[in-house]
Amino acid sequence: QLELTQSPSASASLGASVKLTCTLSSGHSTYAIAWHQQLPGKGPRYLMKLNGDGSHNRGDGIPDRFSGSSSGAERYLIISSLQSEDEADYYCQTWGKTFLAVFGGGTHLTVL
Amino acid sequence: EVQLLESGGGLVQPGGSLRLSCVASGFIFSNYDMTWVRQAPGKGLEWVSSISASGGSVYNADSAKGRFTISRDNSQNTVYLQVSGLRAEDTAIYYCAKDASSGTWIDAWGLGTLVTVSS
Repeated sequence: QLELTQSPSASASLGASVKLTCTLSSGHSTYAIAWHQQLPGKGPRYLMKLNGDGSHNRGDGIPDRFSGSSSGAERYLIISSLQSEDEADYYCQTWGKTFLAVFGGGTHLTVL
Repeated sequence: EVQLLESGGGLVQPGGSLRLSCVASGFIFSNYDMTWVRQAPGKGLEWVSSISASGGSVYNADSAKGRFTISRDNSQNTVYLQVSGLRAEDTAIYYCAKDASSGTWIDAWGLGTLVTVSS
């Protein structure tokens, strides 16, 4: 079964970098994913598509402080030069056959 | 700039119905599949339903089958979600979203419309 696993929470200091992890379920390690950001009280915002080889395409207006990488079944969102406004929930998303969209449980990022 | 604007949410009694609408602009609506995603209070994102660009194919999560119906009017740049047989656990913000390409990732989101199911 196609599933995505995320840690519920993460934290990092202002100005530092953080790497958030999204893990694909067994048998799906080559799948691409997308990352989405949800600021407190707001709707989600698309950040990027991330392929299994680590190549990624950011959405319009997404700063290059946001990048992605991949290793095996793990997909990473890397945020550098952390700012207070990066404190948010981050969701990964993948897709299966016949339009099945799957979301990870989300990671709440706290900027210290 | 892609914009998606939902409407139609509100307070409804258990067993009731609503029709949610999403008006799209900033892209060629008829070329893209569209999706509804919901988020219960304090919870994560849950895929609900998707519809192909032509409207000829629809796909529903198990939680939506038999109760929710997705449709679209390409002449009005609008996608709909008819929700019926509502239960307390359907209480959520319902987001309209644009798919980047057929049956793949979401690359744009609306602001959402809140559906509250309560007596």
